[in-house]
Amino acid sequence: DAGVIQSPRHEVTEMGQEVTLRCKPISGHNSLFWYRQTMMRGLELLIYFNNNVPIDDSGMPEDRFSAKMPNASFSTLKIQPSEPRDSAVYFCASTLGAGELFFGEGSRLTVL
Amino acid sequence: AQSVSQHNHHVILSEAASLELGCNYSYGGTVNLFWYVQYPGQHLQLLLKYFSGDPLVKGIKGFEAEFIKSKFSFNLRKPSVQWSDTAEYFCAVNGGDKIIFGKGTRLHILP
Repeated sequence: DAGVIQSPRHEVTEMGQEVTLRCKPISGHNSLFWYRQTMMRGLELLIYFNNNVPIDDSGMPEDRFSAKMPNASFSTLKIQPSEPRDSAVYFCASTLGAGELFFGEGSRLTVL
Repeated sequence: AQSVSQHNHHVILSEAASLELGCNYSYGGTVNLFWYVQYPGQHLQLLLKYFSGDPLVKGIKGFEAEFIKSKFSFNLRKPSVQWSDTAEYFCAVNGGDKIIFGKGTRLHILP
């Protein structure tokens, strides 16, 4: 299995631009999680889906952030408009039931 | 609500020293427990996990953890650390709906 696949691996953009991060979970997994990691705040859960349905989005910082999971093999995290304080590494992870979480390699976002 | 507490935020040890990182959780039901490791510049990887059975769990790279139900603890141990163990370590708990992570412990091993 290829594992959890995220794209892009790195993105540099200017403040105000729209950013879309993508994730392909491991085939057969039924839960998908989006995390954000920064030096200041550590690892933060943004949102998670179960069977493609958003279950808990209380970690989404603002209305500028949105996430979708149109099918079991794809999810997006969108930031519009982006701000410098959104600079972070965004991780996607997937799991089956209450098992271990498998993480993607992350998308490093820099907003200038 | 579930919560995970890691007591040590930053630990510095010399090579060959013994390591114990504390993890306590709060949850009323049955839980699955995990330790993840994040090496510099990389993503989180599973170190070891406990679902049921023997409460002493052995993981990769010589790490082990002991589940003590009465203390709601799942401490990570290694008898002799190496410089390559420098990383951030996360304890995590899954009570059935989602995985909750602790805030992490940064471990720095001096050569």
